[in-house]
Amino acid sequence: AQSVAQPEDQVNVAEGNPLTVKCTYSVSGNPYLFWYVQYPNRGLQFLLKYITGDNLVKGSYGFEAEFNKSQTSFHLKKPSALVSDSALYFCAVRLPYGNNRLAFGKGNQVVVIP
Amino acid sequence: SQTIHQWPATLVQPVGSPLSLECTVEGTSNPNLYWYRQAAGRGLQLLFYSVGIGQISSEVPQNLSASRPQDRQFILSSKKLLLSDSGFYLCAFTRYNEQFFGPGTRLTVL
Repeated sequence: AQSVAQPEDQVNVAEGNPLTVKCTYSVSGNPYLFWYVQYPNRGLQFLLKYITGDNLVKGSYGFEAEFNKSQTSFHLKKPSALVSDSALYFCAVRLPYGNNRLAFGKGNQVVVIP
Repeated sequence: SQTIHQWPATLVQPVGSPLSLECTVEGTSNPNLYWYRQAAGRGLQLLFYSVGIGQISSEVPQNLSASRPQDRQFILSSKKLLLSDSGFYLCAFTRYNEQFFGPGTRLTVL
């Protein structure tokens, strides 16, 4: 079955420190992978995607993600976290033959401590 | 540019009452449309998707239904709400392999 796993419930990081949010995937064929962020009581905002090409993908707000095929991972990273990065982060994979349907991970709460 | 609207923003309904949530998209034609539910502030569950007018696919059996009466309108309905229908409902559309989400509707069933 096509799925993504976000193993951590919450990630705590001090402001200014590097931030990493982990995601692993299981999908047949070439994966289309996405990261979204959600602020309280808001819809999801698109951060970045990997379709093909360079394994390091740069996105919005200084975030980037690295596609690693051998480890089936797509971890989200930011070199220096801001307090305003505190939010819920979702990894997603596009389902094959699925009219662009996505399967989402459970989400990771990121808390950036001032 | 494309935009997506949802209303109402919040809704409190008694058990057994009907439901109608609306989603509209502007600035694009023939979009794929999706309804998700997010319970307890976490994981998203895909409820329905639509690739065209009158075409609805259901992902999970449940107390809800969806309709697409117009190209850019997607409606989520129920005849009788259950307590378990409470949650945050998100509508989305697809453009260039990306899904874009509306602001959501917070539904509380009492």
